[in-house]
Amino acid sequence: IVMTQSPATLSVSPGERATLSCRASQNITTYLAWYQQKSGQAPSLLIYGASTRAAGVPARFSGSGSGTEFTLTLSSLQSEDFAVYYCQQYHLWPPITFGGGTKVEIK
Amino acid sequence: EVQLVESGGGLVQPGGSLRLSCAASGFTFSAYDMHWVRQAPGQGLEWVSAIGTGRDQYYSGSVKGRFTISRDNAKNSSYLQMNSLRAGDSAVYFCARATCSGAGCPPEIWGQGTLVTVSS
Repeated sequence: IVMTQSPATLSVSPGERATLSCRASQNITTYLAWYQQKSGQAPSLLIYGASTRAAGVPARFSGSGSGTEFTLTLSSLQSEDFAVYYCQQYHLWPPITFGGGTKVEIK
Repeated sequence: EVQLVESGGGLVQPGGSLRLSCAASGFTFSAYDMHWVRQAPGQGLEWVSAIGTGRDQYYSGSVKGRFTISRDNAKNSSYLQMNSLRAGDSAVYFCARATCSGAGCPPEIWGQGTLVTVSS
């Protein structure tokens, strides 16, 4: 299953809303996870099951979608949210597959 | 505190072998699936392999037949034996614990990674 993320780069001002998209090449129901990766660090799980926040993840992160279209929304960007975000499907595996990532940068 | 610590990376010549280790602490290791994911310099994430609680093994097509995943529940550790290494295998290798065991359990807790460089 091919995962396609858009846009590749998103320029956003602090306090603004950011919307990231992820598309699967076939139906993955809600077996979709989102990860945040800051420079030089390991990825961190944000969302699984398309919309369930992982432990300790702030409420400003929300996920939605099912089937082939998914969205990660950051409601009010904080300075620590500027990072690369990856979606991942775990419905039909192996292999587990990741999208190419969306870099959220400061505008 | 839940923690994963990878080790065993380094510089190896093409065709050579390395064994990566992942030491786990802070949780019941035997109850969770374990994954290995890699990231080439400046690139995205690529899933490599996983092992279930029943020691069932899964591999990506790019490493199948060359890499072997294993686990030792007594030592709270997962391993990735990498043979016939190629330049394209150069990456930071992350160990990750799944959210649970079985279908529908994505990687959740990640180690900091260990760098593997394949070069002559």
